[in-house]
Amino acid sequence: DTGVSQNPRHKITKRGQNVTFRCDPISEHNRLYWYRQTLGQGPEFLTYFQNEAQLEKSRLLSDRFSAERPKGSFSTLEIQRTEQGDSAMYLCASSLVAGGPYEQYFGPGTRLTVT
Amino acid sequence: AQTVTQSQPEMSVQEAETVTLSCTYDTSESDYYLFWYKQPPSRQMILVIRQEAYKQQNATENRFSVNFQKAAKSFSLKISDSQLGDAAMYFCAYRSGRGNQFYFGTGTSLTVIP
Repeated sequence: DTGVSQNPRHKITKRGQNVTFRCDPISEHNRLYWYRQTLGQGPEFLTYFQNEAQLEKSRLLSDRFSAERPKGSFSTLEIQRTEQGDSAMYLCASSLVAGGPYEQYFGPGTRLTVT
Repeated sequence: AQTVTQSQPEMSVQEAETVTLSCTYDTSESDYYLFWYKQPPSRQMILVIRQEAYKQQNATENRFSVNFQKAAKSFSLKISDSQLGDAAMYFCAYRSGRGNQFYFGTGTSLTVIP
């Protein structure tokens, strides 16, 4: 399967703990996005990478959130000192930016529950 | 920031019938792209159909078609011959021709009644 993969699929953590999620995009895709999706809402943009460069971050991305894409391939999203409000589905998407409409391909998401 | 509005939180359709999901958006740009994504329960989001704003012709993909009204900033999705597998959340999304962010609506939950 050459689609976008995310690990873990589910994560339960206690408030105050740190968590890290991983996203493996489609191999030839140069752009990678992170979104957060809460129940009943559409995905909200968090950040995106063009190759290894993080080019844009949303105001939603507080100082407790950090994302990396060290070699322009997989990416990690870390949340430090988790809060109950961080409970959500975290989605990763990738795309090949080559002009035109370039749609995003989504992974299955990581569902985070903070207790 | 651009906003995308889906005013129908829930819709239902009888199997084999046709249903239309609504989407409006707010933008001052002339170059942009619009998308409909489908998110089945507990499964990942997949692209259903896309539309380039500069194209006057409405996009179609098999049973899925759009009604793109640029002046009205409306982008509705029509599903013909609805099937049980069409049951899902449907999200409308916008991307500027110059930008990199995708803006999503709040989604419409579609139920298909056998």
